[in-house]
Amino acid sequence: DVKVTQSSRYLVKRTGEKVFLECVQDMDHENMFWYRQDPGLGLRLIYFSYDVKMKEKGDIPEGYSVSREKKERFSLILESASTNQTSMYLCASSWGRWDSETQYFGPGTRLLVL
Amino acid sequence: KQEVTQIPAALSVPEGENLVLNCSFTDSAIYNLQWFRQDPGKGLTSLLLIQSSQREQTSGRLNASLDKSSGRSTLYIAASQPGDSATYLCAVSASGTYKYIFGTGTRLKVLA
Repeated sequence: DVKVTQSSRYLVKRTGEKVFLECVQDMDHENMFWYRQDPGLGLRLIYFSYDVKMKEKGDIPEGYSVSREKKERFSLILESASTNQTSMYLCASSWGRWDSETQYFGPGTRLLVL
Repeated sequence: KQEVTQIPAALSVPEGENLVLNCSFTDSAIYNLQWFRQDPGKGLTSLLLIQSSQREQTSGRLNASLDKSSGRSTLYIAASQPGDSATYLCAVSASGTYKYIFGTGTRLKVLA
């Protein structure tokens, strides 16, 4: 079974803090994704990576950056957390055919920024 | 710009009923469509993926159909059970893009 894990289920941070969210997948997937999920807005793509050290912006990249130094690990970084970044963050991964393959999701990290 | 709509937003049914969840999308030039299940406070689990050349996919009590020309997909759940209670999301992707566009989901409650 594909397993996607996220470093924390719940996080509470202060405004202005730098926040790291980690995602690890164990199936040698090429592609990894970070989404945020908000009530009434659904899932929105923040960043995407199709290979080590490669990344592309999604629909809402502002205020975020990412890092992929190893194939199995994709990190989302909030450079200076703000209250409007309070959300559920979901990581996903998929095989190399990025536009046709099933995406496998982690359990999510619920982030509260005070 | 692709938009995905799921109606109704919430649905309650008695156990044992067959039910249909709807998904519509505005741009018919999709490459594939996925249905996901999400339990409260958890991540998404892929249920079915339909590629644009396919009309339907089946897995157990679930059947998903796709009508690209009309911009619609349905997820049929047979003989519903309380364990089917969850939010169901559909998502579409277009050829040439890695993006999945998600609907906001239908929250299903199956009453025992």
